[in-house]
Amino acid sequence: GAVVSQHPSRVICKSGTSVKIECRSLDFQATTMFWYRQFPKQSLMLMATSNEGSKATYEQGVEKDKFLINHASLTLSTLTVTSAHPEDSSFYICSPKTGEKLFFGSGTQLSVL
Amino acid sequence: LAKTTQPISMDSYEGQEVNITCSHNNIATNDYITWYQQFPSQGPRFIIQGYKTKVTNEVASLFIPADRKSSTLSLPRVSLSDTAVYYCLTPNGAGNMLTFGGGTRLMVKP
Repeated sequence: GAVVSQHPSRVICKSGTSVKIECRSLDFQATTMFWYRQFPKQSLMLMATSNEGSKATYEQGVEKDKFLINHASLTLSTLTVTSAHPEDSSFYICSPKTGEKLFFGSGTQLSVL
Repeated sequence: LAKTTQPISMDSYEGQEVNITCSHNNIATNDYITWYQQFPSQGPRFIIQGYKTKVTNEVASLFIPADRKSSTLSLPRVSLSDTAVYYCLTPNGAGNMLTFGGGTRLMVKP
C-alpha cells in the first residue's frame, strides 16, 4: 500500500503557540489532501480539503485563519495550528487521496497546555 | 450524500468469523465501498474495497448485494489483535470519501 509519513506523532505545546504538522506521501503523488481531527472515542471529522497549488476548502465551523493548510507540492502538505488553545487538543490525521482510495498518516496527537 | 450506518459495537471471541454490516442506501451508481480499520492513536488503515458482489484479499472479504445498499465486511478467524474500530466509507456526491460514520467498535475476547 501507499506510504504516508506524518510528523510529529506527538506534540505538547503551551497555549498561544503555533504548531506545524507535516504530511508526506512517499511513493505516490496526491493531488488532493484531506485533514481530519479526531477527539477521544469519536469518529474522524473532516476539517478541510486541499488541492495542490490552490487554497484549501474548510468545513463549516473550522476557522481557516486558525488552521492554515499549505499544499505546495504533490507530495507534501502542512497543517499549522496557530495560537493553539487547550480546546484544540486532539488527534490530527492527514489523508492524501490517490485514485479511489484514501490512505492515512499515522496521526499527530496535539496536547495544548 | 451517501451516509453510512453501522452497529456501534460488536463482541466476538478468538477464532470466530466476524461479519460487520454497513448500510449505504443512497450510494451512487459509480461509487466504491471501502472499509478501514483503526487502532487507538493511529490513522485508519485500508482493509478492502469493492464495487459489487464479492471481493477477497488476504485479510478480509467484502460482500455486496446486487442493490448495493449495504455491504458486509467478513473477518475470518479473528484474533485479539483485530480489536479495533472498523469504518465503511462511500464517496459523497463529488466523488470524494469525506465523511466517516460512527464506525463499529469490535472487541475480540480470549
